[in-house]
Amino acid sequence: AQSVAQPEDQVNVAEGNPLTVKCTYSVSGNPYLFWYVQYPNRGLQFLLKYITGDNLVKGSYGFEAEFNKSQTSFHLKKPSALVSDSALYFCAVRDTGANNLFFGTGTRLTVIP
Amino acid sequence: ETGVTQTPRHLVMGMTNKKSLKCEQHLGHNAMYWYKQSAKKPLELMFVYSLEERVENNSVPSRFSPECPNSSHLFLHLHTLQPEDSALYLCASSPSPPDRGYEQYFGPGTRLTVT
Repeated sequence: AQSVAQPEDQVNVAEGNPLTVKCTYSVSGNPYLFWYVQYPNRGLQFLLKYITGDNLVKGSYGFEAEFNKSQTSFHLKKPSALVSDSALYFCAVRDTGANNLFFGTGTRLTVIP
Repeated sequence: ETGVTQTPRHLVMGMTNKKSLKCEQHLGHNAMYWYKQSAKKPLELMFVYSLEERVENNSVPSRFSPECPNSSHLFLHLHTLQPEDSALYLCASSPSPPDRGYEQYFGPGTRLTVT
């Protein structure tokens, strides 16, 4: 069975500080992992993905994520947070050969000026 | 803009009404999806279409009826809904087949309120 956990409903960080949004997953095969961001009254926007290869993935707007197979984690990071990064972030996983993309419950990031 | 549009953006309907949600993608994709987003819950995948054929139906009640007339358009027909069906309904598209590592592109959603 596939599942995704985002253990923090809310993350607050000061502008300019590094940010981390956590995600752990469970799949039976090899995972495809994704991060999406949702701004108010908007749909989800793709940030980055891990399919295979280098464990450190770089994406849009300076975000990156590290795939850690032993810890089954795919945490989202950014070295220096911007106020405009404040939004709802979703982690998602798809098991190899499955049509379904399973999403976490989301983490609301607030960057404080 | 992501290249995926949804209409209407807001819809209020009574439990006895029949309405339809429309999704259109301009990305040349061959897979399309309907999701339900409710507060404090993960996105729920409802339906998946690949090359205009339904390949996934995640135990969705029959009061929701999808239609995919071509690879650019996806509809969700609604009838005799319940108040708990009130949610944001998101459409997405991706290259096909959907079981690969392609990211999905989402529309802005339709905010549905059932009274």
